[in-house]
Amino acid sequence: QVQLVESGGGVVQPGRSLRLSCATSGFTFSSYGFHWVRQPPGKGLEWVAVIWYDGSNQYYADSVRGRFTISRDSSKSTLYLQMNSLRAEDTAVYYCARDLGTFSNYASYFDYWGQGTLVTVSS
Amino acid sequence: QSVLTQPPSVSGAPGQRVTISCTGSSSNIGAGYDVHWYQHLPGTAPKLLIYGNNNRPSGVPDRFSGSKSGTSASLAITGLQAEDEADYYCQSFDSNLSLIFGGGTTLTVL
Repeated sequence: QVQLVESGGGVVQPGRSLRLSCATSGFTFSSYGFHWVRQPPGKGLEWVAVIWYDGSNQYYADSVRGRFTISRDSSKSTLYLQMNSLRAEDTAVYYCARDLGTFSNYASYFDYWGQGTLVTVSS
Repeated sequence: QSVLTQPPSVSGAPGQRVTISCTGSSSNIGAGYDVHWYQHLPGTAPKLLIYGNNNRPSGVPDRFSGSKSGTSASLAITGLQAEDEADYYCQSFDSNLSLIFGGGTTLTVL
């Protein structure tokens, strides 16, 4: 069955870096685009970034552009989120999600999500 | 503050019908972009309920339905059940190629 499992969360000081991973299984990884979506404590969902099915394009939310990098490794069926220059406002549960639509056509939506990994940015 | 506006909370008794609105603008829902809906229980993976405004994925009960008109969309749940108690989010796009969510609505089954 389709599975997405995030890892790499934890407590990190402001200004430091962290890399999240999302290991997938149960489907052809290279056929899908993927996103990271986050949920700050007590708040709603916020889109973070997307990567095309072939890794050829990435787009980011304004709040993370220039600090976060989304990438993928098809040999490992794994999605990544490199987070640099972390701020307190980046504290959230981070979810990876599989895209069943097409981002470039303004038609992305998510059919499978992981359980999330918590990132806490605090001194 | 989210670009898509949802009521913070709705409630209903078992068996009743409730609706959750998602109000946008001419730069997102009103521009013709599809609206999708998710059910989220804290600590779990969100679940796709409705895609493309009014389509249900396989396995989602027909008690759940979606609609869209103008700059707004709605999720309707009929025959309310205790297991429906969760947070619900609408999702669409903004014209600047930004994927957007509503602020979320907490459904309480009385």
